[in-house]
Order: sequence, then C-alpha cells, then structure tokens
Amino acid sequence: GIQVEQSPPDLILQEGANSTLRCNFSDSVNNLQWFHQNPWGQLINLFYIPSGTKQNGRLSATTVATERYSLLYISSSQTTDSGVYFCAAGDSWGKLQFGAGTQVVVTP
Amino acid sequence: EAQVTQNPRYLITVTGKKLTVTCSQNMNHEYMSWYRQDPGLGLRQIYYSMNVEVTDKGDVPEGYKVSRKEKRNFPLILESPSPNQTSLYFCASSLSMGTQYTFGSGTRLTVV
Repeated sequence: GIQVEQSPPDLILQEGANSTLRCNFSDSVNNLQWFHQNPWGQLINLFYIPSGTKQNGRLSATTVATERYSLLYISSSQTTDSGVYFCAAGDSWGKLQFGAGTQVVVTP
Repeated sequence: EAQVTQNPRYLITVTGKKLTVTCSQNMNHEYMSWYRQDPGLGLRQIYYSMNVEVTDKGDVPEGYKVSRKEKRNFPLILESPSPNQTSLYFCASSLSMGTQYTFGSGTRLTVV
C-alpha cells in the first residue's frame, strides 16, 4: 500500500509566524487530504487536494502529484492552529492511508 | 447541518460485554468507514462500506463487526471487547470512494 511520511514530526511556533508542513507519498495517488485534529480530538477536513493549489483563509495547500508530495502552509499562525495535522493519501482502490502527523504548538 | 454523528462520545465497559457504537450521516454519502486511533500507531482503518449491504475489512478488523442495512447508518459492533480495544474510534463518510472525508466527533472507549 501507499506509504505516507510527514515532516517535521513536531513544530513550535510563535503566534504570527508562518510555517510549511510536508507530506511525501510513495506511489501515485488520486486522493490527497489534509486534516487538523484539535486539542479536543476532533478531526476537521482542511483540504481535498489530489493536485494543484487551494487556499482557505490563512491556510493553503499544494500537491505536486508527479513528484509525490504535498505542502500545507500556515500563515500568521494563531493559538487556535495548535493540534496535529494529518496528511492522508488514497490510491485507485479508495483506501486512504494516514501519515503519522505533525504536532503543532503555537505559543502566544 | 451536514454531519457525521457518533454515539456515545465516551464509554467505559468491562471485558466481554457486547457493545455497539453508532454512526449516522445525513449527507447521502455512499462510502463510510471506521478508524481507530492509538498513540504511536496513528489512524488505522477497521472496516469500510462502499454502499448498502457492501462492507469489507480494513487493516485491523479482528474483534469487530459492522453492518450497513441503511445508507445513513454504519454501526461498529464489539461482540466481546478486550482491553486491547481501548482506543479512540472515528467514523467517517464521503460521497463515494476517493472523495473528501467528513469525520464524526469520535468515541473514546475504555475496556477494563
């Protein structure tokens, strides 16, 4: 199956800073999603982005499928951005494989 | 509001006592799936369903059962729970296989 690797595993940011999270995947995918797990454990879908670039407020994501990676950008970070960010990649069979996540802590 | 509803949110039970975690979605999604999340092991798929009466095993199906009698509901059944099934469980749905997932709020299960 598809292997998904995320980096960095941990990230500490000061409020207002920008950051980039990376997701590498081992094979061709037709499904790439980014999720945020907040400190209360809820998983929120941030982007469905099998290719191209999307923006949603201070967050944006880019997937370069031919090079097998996706990037999540957080700009002007806020304390509410804290939590774990997961990348998940799916193949043509539909199975979604999750990465281990990036733990983000935004300090005031 | 479009959502996936799981119940209960928290459950403590004893070894061997059958339990069901319910999952319901109101988005007319065809695809539904159950995951468990454990520290150091991440999110792992237990079972999935591509449509009514169509279910299949994920990566960690042992000790679990599912059914999909109606499109909106996808209950997870633990017939004889054991302590190694203590975990955080998530139900998810999507319009079809390979499209955007919506997750439920999670069920934190403790088996003693």
